[in-house]
Amino acid sequence: SSELTQDPAVSVALGQTVRITCQGDSLRNYYASWYQQKPGQAPILVIYANNNRPSGIPDRFSGSSSGNTASLTITGAQAEDEADYYCNSRDSSGNHVVFGGGTKLTVL
Amino acid sequence: QLQLQESGPGLVKPSETLSLTCTVSGASISSSNYYWGWIRQPPGKVLEWIGSFYYSGSTYYNPSLKSRVTISVDTSKNQFSLNLSSVTAADTAVYYCASSSLAPSAFDIWGQGTMVTVSS
Repeated sequence: SSELTQDPAVSVALGQTVRITCQGDSLRNYYASWYQQKPGQAPILVIYANNNRPSGIPDRFSGSSSGNTASLTITGAQAEDEADYYCNSRDSSGNHVVFGGGTKLTVL
Repeated sequence: QLQLQESGPGLVKPSETLSLTCTVSGASISSSNYYWGWIRQPPGKVLEWIGSFYYSGSTYYNPSLKSRVTISVDTSKNQFSLNLSSVTAADTAVYYCASSSLAPSAFDIWGQGTMVTVSS
């Protein structure tokens, strides 16, 4: 079982704001990253080190972290944001990488 | 521009060893700026980290796979490889190689992935 827990599915109305969360004890000590994955495609990094956007990622994507919970927020969700979103970080040992169980985002 | 490309057999028999190679272009695999890894995703399921290594030579494996996994590096070919022994149908997945340059465990560059099916 994953050490990072995500809600399996979330929906958002077009143009509205949605928050996707990731919970795990290791998040108290290690950064979270977030990935977007569309069917048949490799994941794309959208947030790293809790709240940083890689070059080319729209600024409607933002991240935050507090305690044992990291969050990905999409402000003004677009139809093309419909995808699976995964968080990842280190496990409690610090040496291993873990992924969350993923959240399927539906844009209504 | 850094690019990664997986290669290897798409079909492996049960109990045999799955072997994949990731060819790196646009950067040296020996660079201290990068951290490299393998991740897999069974059909319809979630991402699973397999293992990673640093330029320094330190290698780390998923504890659930550690007894069966080896990641090796060929600096002369700018490639790194994955060997997974004693495979079963549960190892059927898309296998990705990826790199991290922005933050530890934040994989910012991914290969396109290669589907490996374990079947007799």
